[in-house]
Amino acid sequence: NAGVTQTPKFQVLKTGQSMTLQCAQDMNHNSMYWYRQDPGMGLRLIYYSASEGTTDKGEVPNGYNVSRLNKREFSLRLESAAPSQTSVYFCASRTGESYGYTFGSGTRLTVV
Amino acid sequence: QKEVEQNSGPLSVPEGAIASLNCTYSDRGSQSFFWYRQYSGKSPELIMFIYSNGDKEDGRFTAQLNKASQYVSLLIRDSQPSDSATYLCAVVHFGNEKLTFGTGTRLTIIP
Repeated sequence: NAGVTQTPKFQVLKTGQSMTLQCAQDMNHNSMYWYRQDPGMGLRLIYYSASEGTTDKGEVPNGYNVSRLNKREFSLRLESAAPSQTSVYFCASRTGESYGYTFGSGTRLTVV
Repeated sequence: QKEVEQNSGPLSVPEGAIASLNCTYSDRGSQSFFWYRQYSGKSPELIMFIYSNGDKEDGRFTAQLNKASQYVSLLIRDSQPSDSATYLCAVVHFGNEKLTFGTGTRLTIIP
């Protein structure tokens, strides 16, 4: 049982390049989330998906798009990377309202 | 005012002592409360959750909730060097899909 799997673990992009961060969970969770974590800023929600077929903006959605491909997979796309998007990105999933998140291991992204 | 506030620390505690971590929240409708531990360079890991006023114990960890005063705390007894990490408090309002996190308290256990 792998839990929440994120790929890649590390990535370096040049300004203007695009990439997709992949996330998959095998726990049959309904809700999935993308966060970024920056020093001193804590975890900030980018986008979330309460159920298959729905997505909603979080606190910092600008510059990102998401796709909830099916119940298992939730991807995050950077169309034109900027140095301000240098961060650690975490995917998380949750089974229901009274439960906490299970986090993936994270993607460390550097945009130069 | 931030929705969830934690003292950023660092909090230094001698090995074997009790570490006390505090968190206050502003939404009186919050109903579920979580404590996550995050080691440097790793992802957050859920260690405790509490829904009802009072104490909840799990091994060396005790979560305490006081909804009237809008605070939740985490006590770590017999602190070990392996407890050195950042501890994140998170809350959720029933019916809300999203947890709200504090910025975390960095805890260092001194051998």
